[in-house]
Amino acid sequence: GAGVSQSPSNKVTEKGKDVELRCDPISGHTALYWYRQSLGQGLEFLIYFQGNSAPDKSGLPSDRFSAERTGGSVSTLTIQRTQQEDSAVYLCASSLAQGIRDTQYFGPGTRLTVL
Amino acid sequence: KQEVTQIPAALSVPEGENLVLNCSFTDSAIYNLQWFRQDPGKGLTSLLLIQSSQREQTSGRLNASLDKSSGRSTLYIAASQPGDSATYLCAATSGGGSEKLVFGKGTKLTVNP
Repeated sequence: GAGVSQSPSNKVTEKGKDVELRCDPISGHTALYWYRQSLGQGLEFLIYFQGNSAPDKSGLPSDRFSAERTGGSVSTLTIQRTQQEDSAVYLCASSLAQGIRDTQYFGPGTRLTVL
Repeated sequence: KQEVTQIPAALSVPEGENLVLNCSFTDSAIYNLQWFRQDPGKGLTSLLLIQSSQREQTSGRLNASLDKSSGRSTLYIAASQPGDSATYLCAATSGGGSEKLVFGKGTKLTVNP
C-alpha cells in the first residue's frame, strides 16, 4: 500500500512569509507525528496527534508554529512569519495505533529553505 | 529529560565485516527503543523496535540488543554490504507518559566494496 506522503518536497520562501506543509499518513493510522531535522542536529519532535487531537505539542519551538489534523487523516504544519532558523527538513510519521507502542513510518520530508 | 547519544558519529568499514553501532540513553524508564535507517535525501526506515521487556530483536543480518539497566543499545550488522551504507538512528521513548521519541544524531556508516 501507499506510504506516508508529504508535499511539497521542497519549499523556498522569503523571510517573513507564511508556509504550509502537508502530510498524508498511511490509511488507517491513527497516530501522526511531526519532526524537524536541522543541519547538524538530530531529529527534533514537534507535535503528536492521536486522531484529530494533539495531546503533545511540547516540541513546537514558538507560537509561530501550529498544526492541525482533519478527519483523522491529513495534517498541515503551518509556520507563520518564517525566519532563517526555520530552514530544515520537516518529517512526518504515522503509526497504526497508540503512538510509541507501534513502529513509526516516515514520509520523505519537506525541505524548507528560508532566504 | 531523555538524552540519546550515538557513537561513533561516522564509521567506515570494508565489505563483509561485522560491525556494531552503539546507542546510549539517560532515562532507563523507556517504553521501547527503535533503530532507523536514513538514506540521503530520504525519510527514515524502521529497522527494529525493542520493547522494554525484551533484550534483543533480530531481522535478517541485523540484531539489536537492549540493556535498560546500563542505558545502552547496540545494533549489530553481520557481513556488511555496500548497500548498508546509510545513517543509522537510534530513538528512545522519552518516558513520563509522553508519546514522543528522542533521537540520537546518528552514525553515518560507509561500507566500502
